Amino acid sequence: AQTVTQSQPEMSVQEAETVTLSCTYDTSESDYYLFWYKQPPSRQMILVIRQEAYKQQNATENRFSVNFQKAAKSFSLKISDSQLGDAAMYFCGYGGTSYGKLTFGQGTILTVHP
Amino acid sequence: DTGVSQDPRHKITKRGQNVTFRCDPISEHNRLYWYRQTLGQGPEFLTYFQNEAQLEKSRLLSDRFSAERPKGSFSTLEIQRTEQGDSAMYLCASSPDRVNEQFFGPGTRLTVL
Repeated sequence: AQTVTQSQPEMSVQEAETVTLSCTYDTSESDYYLFWYKQPPSRQMILVIRQEAYKQQNATENRFSVNFQKAAKSFSLKISDSQLGDAAMYFCGYGGTSYGKLTFGQGTILTVHP
Repeated sequence: DTGVSQDPRHKITKRGQNVTFRCDPISEHNRLYWYRQTLGQGPEFLTYFQNEAQLEKSRLLSDRFSAERPKGSFSTLEIQRTEQGDSAMYLCASSPDRVNEQFFGPGTRLTVL
């Protein structure tokens, strides 16, 4: 079974600065997908960024980028130029290639200070 | 709004009662997923459908839980004889075929007294 671990229950960052959220996972599969989802308070989860395991190039979406280390089974999220609207719970997720369930970590609460 | 919708948004019930939640996926999304999220935790998978077929069920889905998607469109999740441990947020997500991205609804928050 796949597992996802987020070891940082809480993180904080000053507005306009950069923060990195950590995620490790365990799987015996060679091909899979990794995700970062954002869940603002009392709002629904939205996808921030997605990485296909077969791609060596790290995914980037505007201010959000990942550091994907397949051998180390590590998948961190870097948020550059942090904004107040980035404050939320962030979940790292793992998905197989059969378009089935996602397995999520415990989440990291990100606070952005003005 | 053409996103995933869930009804009701909040449900308070007494222990032992039955409850039913509804999820309407994004139009033409043939995959539909149910997750449960307790406070401060990540969502845990319960079950998912491709069209009307239920393809996988988690062992978290005890005999008191049943999910249906009769016409391959909306889905219902029923919990019978609710227990206090069932108190959680129940999330629904949908995705189009052969796309590995799930779109989540706002959730139904269940409180069992």
